[in-house]
Amino acid sequence: GAGVSQSPSNKVTEKGKDVELRCDPISGHTALYWYRQSLGQGLEFLIYFQGNSAPDKSGLPSDRFSAERTGGSVSTLTIQRTQQEDSAVYLCASSLDRGGYNEQFFGPGTRLTVL
Amino acid sequence: GESVGLHLPTLSVQEGDNSIINCAYSNSASDYFIWYKQESGKGPQFIIDIRSNMDKRQGQRVTVLLNKTVKHLSLQIAATQPGDSAVYFCAEKGRRNNDMRFGAGTRLTVKP
Repeated sequence: GAGVSQSPSNKVTEKGKDVELRCDPISGHTALYWYRQSLGQGLEFLIYFQGNSAPDKSGLPSDRFSAERTGGSVSTLTIQRTQQEDSAVYLCASSLDRGGYNEQFFGPGTRLTVL
Repeated sequence: GESVGLHLPTLSVQEGDNSIINCAYSNSASDYFIWYKQESGKGPQFIIDIRSNMDKRQGQRVTVLLNKTVKHLSLQIAATQPGDSAVYFCAEKGRRNNDMRFGAGTRLTVKP
């Protein structure tokens, strides 16, 4: 498909384990965003990648969270030593970021449950 | 700090009626606004956007109004249908491309 895809769709893990969440952006989109959405809440910005520039990590809640974007395409969000408060839906979005007025296209999200 | 917020967390309308969802923002530097629709189990879907140099923009059955004087944004849905039931988010963009802030959302329920 032509949209943003994320995997897995659901992830259940035990407290203390590490998890990796994957995002495949729309081909050609230079910008990629990760957000976290807790139940009934809005979107919390986590990290932003734009081309070859250094990512904006200002939204990452702790050093247990990290993300990579390889080859300017696929991105992986890693959460180490997961805690119960990490349970949320993690959304990825991509955009062209052309001129600053570009909509972000969202993936379906990964629902993370930490037991 | 500055924030994006919504006046009403829930809205229930009768099928066929018009819906109005409101959003307040306080960042006067915001120059781009988007409305998203999020259905259960899905990611947010773009509905309509508006730049700060406009005060109204229309799409198919939807209209976004921007009042910069009072920093207010609204989404109007004409002839609301059951398929419109979802959570609607407003978002504002500041000076940087990654400075997009989302409101908590309004849940719209359409009664048949």
